[in-house]
Amino acid sequence: DTAVSQTPKYLVTQMGNDKSIKCEQNLGHDTMYWYKQDSKKFLKIMFSYNNKELIINETVPNRFSPKSPDKAHLNLHINSLELGDSAVYFCASSEGRGPNSYEQYFGPGTRLTVT
Amino acid sequence: AQSVTQLDSQVPVFEEAPVELRCNYSSSVSVYLFWYVQYPNQGLQLLLKYLSGSTLVKGINGFEAEFNKSQTSFHLRKPSVHISDTAEYFCAVSTSGTYKYIFGTGTRLKVLA
Repeated sequence: DTAVSQTPKYLVTQMGNDKSIKCEQNLGHDTMYWYKQDSKKFLKIMFSYNNKELIINETVPNRFSPKSPDKAHLNLHINSLELGDSAVYFCASSEGRGPNSYEQYFGPGTRLTVT
Repeated sequence: AQSVTQLDSQVPVFEEAPVELRCNYSSSVSVYLFWYVQYPNQGLQLLLKYLSGSTLVKGINGFEAEFNKSQTSFHLRKPSVHISDTAEYFCAVSTSGTYKYIFGTGTRLKVLA
């Protein structure tokens, strides 16, 4: 009964490859997010979707493209992977409205290593 | 724009001692404040949040934090820590209508036996 799940947990790939990370939440939330945590543990938001609509799009290379097929899923596709993309990527979700809308629930993370 | 500063990158403390993890924020509008904990190789778990009302907020695992608007701070405290509290702690700020978190750089709490 995992609330926010991500697959895969670990991803090791070579420079230049294209890869995807999947996220699913079973909380009935309207809003989902992608964060990147670098090697120094710094967390930065990348994207956010509300009911399949992109609402936050931070300064992220065009090689990163989020896709939300429905409000329970938010996937992250990365083209032409670079060494600097190595990080832990976290998915999160929130209600999207009401007093609890600011409380975000995080997935376990996907550790991406680009060699 | 908002920003969050966690001045202490690491805080070592002996078991059963009290601890305070500092968080200061900068914002020109009203903020919502959060503390999250990240155990090794895991995701983030919400410890507590301040949205409005009482400035003293109690969270899970015996943690509490106090919102101080004049000092723009939201320090996290626990009167007696356990070995199991060893983790990375993140302070985050959000503002009305944005739904976006700005995180601090984290404080690694290391509880020593």
